[in-house]
Parts: sequence; C-alpha cells; structure tokens
Amino acid sequence: DQQVKQNSPSLSVQEGRISILNCDYTNSMFDYFLWYKKYPAEGPTFLISISSIKDKNEDGRFTVFLNKSAKHLSLHIVPSQPGDSAVYFCAAKSRTGNNRKLIWGLGTSLAVNP
Amino acid sequence: EAQVTQNPRYLITVTGKKLTVTCSQNMNHEYMSWYRQDPGLGLRQIYYSMNVEVTDKGDVPEGYKVSRKEKRNFPLILESPSPNQTSLYFCASSLSDSGGYTFGSGTRLTVV
Repeated sequence: DQQVKQNSPSLSVQEGRISILNCDYTNSMFDYFLWYKKYPAEGPTFLISISSIKDKNEDGRFTVFLNKSAKHLSLHIVPSQPGDSAVYFCAAKSRTGNNRKLIWGLGTSLAVNP
Repeated sequence: EAQVTQNPRYLITVTGKKLTVTCSQNMNHEYMSWYRQDPGLGLRQIYYSMNVEVTDKGDVPEGYKVSRKEKRNFPLILESPSPNQTSLYFCASSLSDSGGYTFGSGTRLTVV
C-alpha cells in the first residue's frame, strides 16, 4: 500500500512553459515533504522541501504547494528548461512520533522539449 | 566538497561471492541509509543508521548486512549475493533523520 503516490509516470512540456508535478499522500501524520531530482547514472539530489505549517515554498524557478486537506502537493517549475529533464521524486515523513522514515513515491519522468 | 562517495560504481559478480559496497561521507552527518532502486518499485530502504554503532532494518533488509563503526563510513555487505539482488544501490546521509538526504552517485550491481 503506497503512502506516497505520483500518479503520472511521465510528463512532457515545452521549453519555457510551466511543469506541474503532482504527489498525493495518505498518511495524515506526514508533516515534512521533499522533492528530489534524479538524472540517469546519478544519485537523487535534493530540490526543495516544505513543512506542513506552510502551504507554499519557493526557490527560484521551483515552487512547492501543499494542500493538507486534500493530502496533495505539487511542484511547479517555471519556466521549464531542457536541463530540467529528469525523474522527480516526491517524499514524505513524520518528524515526530516513532516512525520517522522517509517514504518515497515512484517518481515522474519529466521531459522538457526545446 | 561535501559529498557521499560510493565504491564501486559498477560491479558484476557471481552468486554466492561475498562483496562489500563502501560508502563514506565527509559532512559529519549522523544519519546514513542504504537504498536500492528497481524499475517500478522506486527507492526502497535496506538499512539505516542513526549514529555510530546504531543500525536498524529498513523495508528490504534480507540478504544484506551493514556496520557503522565510524561516523563517516557505512558499508553494505552482501554475504552471499543472489541474482535478485541485482539492482542500483544508493547510499545517503543527512544531519539528522528529520532533514533531506545527500545521495551518493550509486552502485550498479549485477549478480549472475
């Protein structure tokens, strides 16, 4: 039973447009969410995170939105660039309680076309 | 440069031949973890370590061992590798278990 779901295995967007990657979670104890980017033959690299006390966090071209009532978060990339083509993983955890394990989604492969 | 270093990057071995994948971090991180990535299954945690001499099982620990004798090193040991352990392995570290991880570049292991 997947607690973190990325329902779109792949996404294709045009350079300069907005990329929106979605992530849903089921565990209401999750209070910290992260996005990672992964290029082929490399390890995942941390991109951006958000705490459950916020509903938005922005870092340059990357913005993460959190909707706690819907248990949904999204990563917006504006404007998208060809170098953003990678697999994006959503991850979530509870920073309190006994189980603080980071739970990962299966990833969304983003292709940004020139 | 702050980094997590895994060795080797690529390894082909035969069933039953013991092997060790090394992992070292230079950031004085307390928390270290091993993952394997398989198609359609995403990243699955094998073992993790909260600090020196403190290790615990993740989701898929069978067939693996780890040790944490020093803060910087967290080797992954396969005592008797089998073909179902053919996978892409990642080591990761973080300052604590509440933050984001820094990942190594990965080790692609093939067991024939």
